Amino acid sequence: GQQLNQSPQSMFIQEGEDVSMNCTSSSIFNTWLWYKQDPGEGPVLLIALYKAGELTSNGRLTAQFGITRKDSFLNISASIPSDVGIYFCAGQRDNAGNMLTFGGGTRLMVKP
Amino acid sequence: GAGVSQTPSNKVTEKGKYVELRCDPISGHTALYWYRQSLGQGPEFLIYFQGTGAADDSGLPNDRFFAVRPEGSVSTLKIQRTERGDSAVYLCASSLIGGATDTQYFGPGTRLTVL
Repeated sequence: GQQLNQSPQSMFIQEGEDVSMNCTSSSIFNTWLWYKQDPGEGPVLLIALYKAGELTSNGRLTAQFGITRKDSFLNISASIPSDVGIYFCAGQRDNAGNMLTFGGGTRLMVKP
Repeated sequence: GAGVSQTPSNKVTEKGKYVELRCDPISGHTALYWYRQSLGQGPEFLIYFQGTGAADDSGLPNDRFFAVRPEGSVSTLKIQRTERGDSAVYLCASSLIGGATDTQYFGPGTRLTVL
């Protein structure tokens, strides 16, 4: 089962709003990743974090690797309609090969 | 350039049947991964290949599941005596060398439905 707890499970956005989501774990990960998945597609990597405390940006996206190595957050600024989709956090441990452990996802939808 | 491709995109089968799912990784990628994604959940790791060999198969749920990569490129995930609980999207990913900082590129998945 899932070892990463991701919240919120879903949220509605209005164009121009900032969005924040986070991921927590009971155990340490050495790498944190954030992916986006559109319907009928596989996940696409957005941001990778390799050091505790690291803050990384990719355009309107900003993600941080928690200092305890047990959490991460992703912020999206000034959201646009194409931001709609499912966002997954994923963790990787040095002693667990190259497998990724995924969170349950945050579904971003547009406010009607 | 071409990404990871998976065939078929959809597979419907009956309980008890055998199925094969195919993955074509990005050319030149030595590492290949299979994940399973149930409805409303994140992907779950099944198996990882480095070249032709399975470097980590700890995610395979039971011995009905088997995967091969005989020439270090295309991989086939095989499921025997399918059960309704096997219904899910099966995702394949590849990465250049399989290192810890290597990006895993995912294919679109095969949606398996077991009736």
